[in-house]
Amino acid sequence: SQKIEQNSEALNIQEGKTATLTCNYTNYSPAYLQWYRQDPGRGPVFLLLIRENEKEKRKERLKVTFDTTLKQSLFHITASQPADSATYLCASDGQNFVFGPGTRLSVLP
Amino acid sequence: DVKVTQSSRYLVKRTGEKVFLECVQDMDHENMFWYRQDPGLGLRLIYFSYDVKMKEKGDIPEGYSVSREKKERFSLILESASTNQTSMYLCASSWGNQPQHFGDGTRLSIL
Repeated sequence: SQKIEQNSEALNIQEGKTATLTCNYTNYSPAYLQWYRQDPGRGPVFLLLIRENEKEKRKERLKVTFDTTLKQSLFHITASQPADSATYLCASDGQNFVFGPGTRLSVLP
Repeated sequence: DVKVTQSSRYLVKRTGEKVFLECVQDMDHENMFWYRQDPGLGLRLIYFSYDVKMKEKGDIPEGYSVSREKKERFSLILESASTNQTSMYLCASSWGNQPQHFGDGTRLSIL
């Protein structure tokens, strides 16, 4: 069955550095991948969508890539700030809409 | 801005009770979804609906049912609550293949 993995449950980085989060999918080929941010006690909030025919998408300090050969998406936050601390979820279409388990990012001042 | 409202932020019920979780969206979205979120398991799809009175099973529908009598409202029903249904429940809505908009969740405890 279709599956999404985010290979880091938690990631700590220093303020000002670039955070890189990974999303891997198996057993299917999604037409697009989405990235969401979730703060404690809140629902996820959509950040970026990238389609299978797009290599890269940017929005302000955010960048997402989609590599169909590696079956992987990378999500980058440049010049990270403590306010970027949250859980980031990868999601995709398929037989059912599927979310990864998330990566909890902590940006340390 | 899209608003998805879940009727309760916190709810405590007893085993065997029939539990209703309500969700309302204000953007005329055709799609609505119910997920549960558990530590280490992420968001898992329970049921979704593409139109009024339409429903489709997600990945974990057992022990749940849904109702969509009006386009803006999607209800999740626990027919006979059990302790393993203690979880955070999230409702979402979307239009077509567009990204989903989520409510802030209901933290349900079954004692």
